Amino acid sequence: KQEVTQIPAALSVPEGENLVLNCSFTDSAIYNLQWFRQDPGKGLTSLLLIQSSQREQTSGRLNASLDKSSGRSTLYIAASQPGDSATYLCAVRPGVDTGNQFYFGTGTSLTVIP
Amino acid sequence: DAGITQSPRHKVTETGTPVTLRCHQTENHRYMYWYRQDPGHGLRLIHYSYGVKDTDKGEVSDGYSVSRSKTEDFLLTLESATSSQTSVYFCAIARETSGNTIYFGEGSWLTVV
Repeated sequence: KQEVTQIPAALSVPEGENLVLNCSFTDSAIYNLQWFRQDPGKGLTSLLLIQSSQREQTSGRLNASLDKSSGRSTLYIAASQPGDSATYLCAVRPGVDTGNQFYFGTGTSLTVIP
Repeated sequence: DAGITQSPRHKVTETGTPVTLRCHQTENHRYMYWYRQDPGHGLRLIHYSYGVKDTDKGEVSDGYSVSRSKTEDFLLTLESATSSQTSVYFCAIARETSGNTIYFGEGSWLTVV
């Protein structure tokens, strides 16, 4: 079974700082990896999806990279803002036929201090 | 926005009673999922569906059943609710036309007393 880990569990940074969130997975044979944001008491909002054939995806101030061989993905947030405060989760879809299931990390709680 | 609505959004029920949560989607996606989210455990898959009447178990399916009689609706039933099933339940769909991107509903908060 694919295990997904996100370290650290919590991160606090001053406004304006660039930061990197980490996602590690145990089986490098993945189909894709997706990053989400979750605000307190809310559902998950999709941020970026990276297919296994891609190395990175960008959306605005967000850049996600994928290194399958090392079992890692990073989410880079440029010029952080207080509105970026949320929990960020990654999810991995294994490459083998698992009925389109996804495995989630437990998330990194980000606080951006004004 | 993937047109996913969950109902009810909040519910308090008593131990031993049956509870049904509904997930409705408007885009005719084949794959639908039910997850629960708990502190320290993250999101865990309960059941998923890959078409009408086609469902399969996830990693925490004990005590739950599902039904999908129409493409747009995926129902999660707790046959006899227990306090350990107090959780937030999320429905999700996979949009196959965009590389199987997952989209989530807003969640259903269930408290079993």
